[in-house]
Amino acid sequence: DQQVKQNSPSLSVQEGRISILNCDYTNSMFDYFLWYKKYPAEGPTFLISISSIKDKNEDGRFTVFLNKSAKHLSLHIVPSQPGDSAVYFCAAWAYNTDKLIFGTGTRLQVFP
Amino acid sequence: NAGVTQTPKFQVLKTGQSMTLQCAQDMNHNSMYWYRQDPGMGLRLIYYSASEGTTDKGEVPNGYNVSRLNKREFSLRLESAAPSQTSVYFCASSEPPREAFFGQGTRLTVV
Repeated sequence: DQQVKQNSPSLSVQEGRISILNCDYTNSMFDYFLWYKKYPAEGPTFLISISSIKDKNEDGRFTVFLNKSAKHLSLHIVPSQPGDSAVYFCAAWAYNTDKLIFGTGTRLQVFP
Repeated sequence: NAGVTQTPKFQVLKTGQSMTLQCAQDMNHNSMYWYRQDPGMGLRLIYYSASEGTTDKGEVPNGYNVSRLNKREFSLRLESAAPSQTSVYFCASSEPPREAFFGQGTRLTVV
């Protein structure tokens, strides 16, 4: 039973355009969400996070949006760059636990 | 500033063999994690340890055991390896709910 789902296995975007990666969750106890980026043969690296008390968090080219009623979050990358090509995972902490649950990942390819 | 260090980086095992994956962190984090990454399945939590002396099952614990040796070290043991355990294994540490830091991974093949 996948509690965190990324329904798009892959996404291809032209350089300079916006990339939108989506994530859905089922557990209403999740209250803190993170996005990670992963290059081949490396460990995941943290990108940006958002608390459930907010609906938006921005860091440079990266913005995360949270819609709690829909149990949905998204990561926007503007403008997309070739170096953004990687696998992106969303992850969630459940309230009052130490479990960090990840989604299945979306492979982003940014082409010139 | 090493962060999270995993050993070994690569391993090939025969079915039925045992091995231990080692993980150490130098960030003084209380929580440590073991994940496996498989194509199409994302990162799945195997076991985690919220503090020294405690361990809990994650999403896919069957076939694995863990030991939180001290605050720095968290090991993952495969007692009798199976081909289904062929995967890339990642160790991570964190102070929840802040970001978790990951090691470089161990690529394990069971033949």
